[in-house]
Amino acid sequence: EVVLTQSPATLSLSPGERATLSCRASQSVGKYLAWYQQKPGQAPRLLVFDASNRAYGIPPRFSGRGSGTDFTLTISSLEPEDFAVYYCQQRTNWRITFGQGTLVDIK
Amino acid sequence: QVVQSGGGLMQPGGSLTLSCAASGFTVSNNYMGWVRQAPGKGLEWVSVIYSGGDTYYTDSVQGRFTVSRDNSRNTVYLQMNNLRVEDTAFYFCARGSQLGGWFDYWGQGSLVTVSS
Repeated sequence: EVVLTQSPATLSLSPGERATLSCRASQSVGKYLAWYQQKPGQAPRLLVFDASNRAYGIPPRFSGRGSGTDFTLTISSLEPEDFAVYYCQQRTNWRITFGQGTLVDIK
Repeated sequence: QVVQSGGGLMQPGGSLTLSCAASGFTVSNNYMGWVRQAPGKGLEWVSVIYSGGDTYYTDSVQGRFTVSRDNSRNTVYLQMNNLRVEDTAFYFCARGSQLGGWFDYWGQGSLVTVSS
């Protein structure tokens, strides 16, 4: 099973600041990594797929990069609505795993 | 769109079935997954059913949960048997993208509480 480790657990920032979230896989997943945003009481929302492709309707301030075992989600300038929990996810063969999440909260 | 139903309070050892009705796409043309989230915790993949009918489960529910679909109703189900306290969670149904291993549309979630 591929284990995804996200860091940091919590990121405290102010609106307008840049957020950099990390996701490290226990073995190579190629480019096959997705990122989701989840707000309290809501279902997750797909942000990025295949490491660097923004999902439909996702603003360009969200960007993903990486391959193999190291991936990054960057929010270039935080908007008030971006404060949420972010998860990475991969699928290897049929098994799917999620990272434990990074909370981006308001400083 | 994915609309879920089911959920509720169950005793340990009980059974419950969650439903996930799709509109705007055909469930049999996609893979459909179930993901759960215990209160205050992260996301955990539970099960998936592929377009060809293959099904897979995370180890902790293998043998107790069954995922299925009714093509005529365009609906996916998660039958949960022998429920345990640790199965308490919000359960989300999600559509897998035809292009790869991510979930692009999610249901609103169903709360399953297992308690005596």
